[in-house]
Amino acid sequence: GAGVSQSPSNKVTEKGKDVELRCDPISGHTALYWYRQSLGQGLEFLIYFQGNSAPDKSGLPSDRFSAERTGGSVSTLTIQRTQQEDSAVYLCASSSRQGAGNTIYFGEGSWLTVV
Amino acid sequence: AQSVSQHNHHVILSEAASLELGCNYSYGGTVNLFWYVQYPGQHLQLLLKYFSGDPLVKGIKGFEAEFIKSKFSFNLRKPSVQWSDTAEYFCAVNRKGGANNLFFGTGTRLTVIP
Repeated sequence: GAGVSQSPSNKVTEKGKDVELRCDPISGHTALYWYRQSLGQGLEFLIYFQGNSAPDKSGLPSDRFSAERTGGSVSTLTIQRTQQEDSAVYLCASSSRQGAGNTIYFGEGSWLTVV
Repeated sequence: AQSVSQHNHHVILSEAASLELGCNYSYGGTVNLFWYVQYPGQHLQLLLKYFSGDPLVKGIKGFEAEFIKSKFSFNLRKPSVQWSDTAEYFCAVNRKGGANNLFFGTGTRLTVIP
């Protein structure tokens, strides 16, 4: 597609349930990123995939969070046993090459509300 | 550890006023610097970026930013704002030669009053 596509755009879930958020990066982009945007918190890095390399998971806030990227394209962010503090906008982004300085393009985000 | 500080949380200006949004970073090494903008209901978009060379960089929609290495700053400016500039602005940094992952400030919300 023309841009980074994320689904669902909005998700309301009950505390304790698992959720999956999907990201389809720009075609041909080898790098994929997940960020979390919480009110007043700015953008928090979660995880970064680059090609076939092991992902950088250093930003995942707890072991309830995981992500995978199948076939070097689509990525799924999974949050297990959701908590109210997980409520945020989850942003996916991609870039064409690895290495600092390559423009990162963002999707419109998945707004997660845990009730 | 790297950090990006945006001290202005919410700025309110009248149309035609001049804008300057502060951004300071703390990073152990040489950096690339970015400003992203998020208009209401839209996704983040790149406004401008600095990699090297002329420390005064120009971006879209009349925005510019100046990299002052001695002050670890990359402030965003626009001489005359418009109502359509109402948005949230994020400063970001990554390490030159490193991974492409960006570290963001907490953002500055700009409201322009017609």
